Amino acid sequence: GESVGLHLPTLSVQEGDNSIINCAYSNSASDYFIWYKQESGKGPQFIIDIRSNMDKRQGQRVTVLLNKTVKHLSLQIAATQPGDSAVYFCAENTPDYGGSQGNLIFGKGTKLSVKP
Amino acid sequence: NAGVTQTPKFQVLKTGQSMTLQCAQDMNHEYMSWYRQDPGMGLRLIHYSVGAGITDQGEVPNGYNVSRSTTEDFPLRLLSAAPSQTSVYFCASSYSAGRDQPQHFGDGTRLSIL
Repeated sequence: GESVGLHLPTLSVQEGDNSIINCAYSNSASDYFIWYKQESGKGPQFIIDIRSNMDKRQGQRVTVLLNKTVKHLSLQIAATQPGDSAVYFCAENTPDYGGSQGNLIFGKGTKLSVKP
Repeated sequence: NAGVTQTPKFQVLKTGQSMTLQCAQDMNHEYMSWYRQDPGMGLRLIHYSVGAGITDQGEVPNGYNVSRSTTEDFPLRLLSAAPSQTSVYFCASSYSAGRDQPQHFGDGTRLSIL
């Protein structure tokens, strides 16, 4: 079946450096993507989303890049801080899964560790 | 700013017992859903609802029931608990049932089945 996956299960960066978390998706019909952050003991927290008619979207310290040619999504975090330490999930929404509903398919997550 | 509230936060059950996980949202969201999160598996959709009175199955619905009698509440029922249902359960909601809507999650219920 279709799935969303991540290239790196863990990522360790130095405080102040930029972080890049990658995600591959397999369904070319997917047209909406979300990045979530999950801290220990908490639910996933929405970070940023992007629609397939865009290839880049920026938020506060975060940028999501979408490359539809290779079906790749990335989350860039600028000036990574200790508070950014968490598990990051990408999720996709496709017309093939759940029809018109907003059902999401989640990747397995990448753990980001920020070293002081 | 309650958002999505889940109760209880922790629960231990014996095999064969039944229980209901509660989920409530105060954002007047139409769409609500339940996921389970297992190590190495990501989040998997159990059931979802696009509005009061309407529910449907997700990827892993077996052993679970849901109902949506009000917009605010979306309880998940375990009919006869099994050790395979040991997991962390998350409820989520979004403004409408349309696509392009980020879902907002509760903080989860950690369930252990002995």
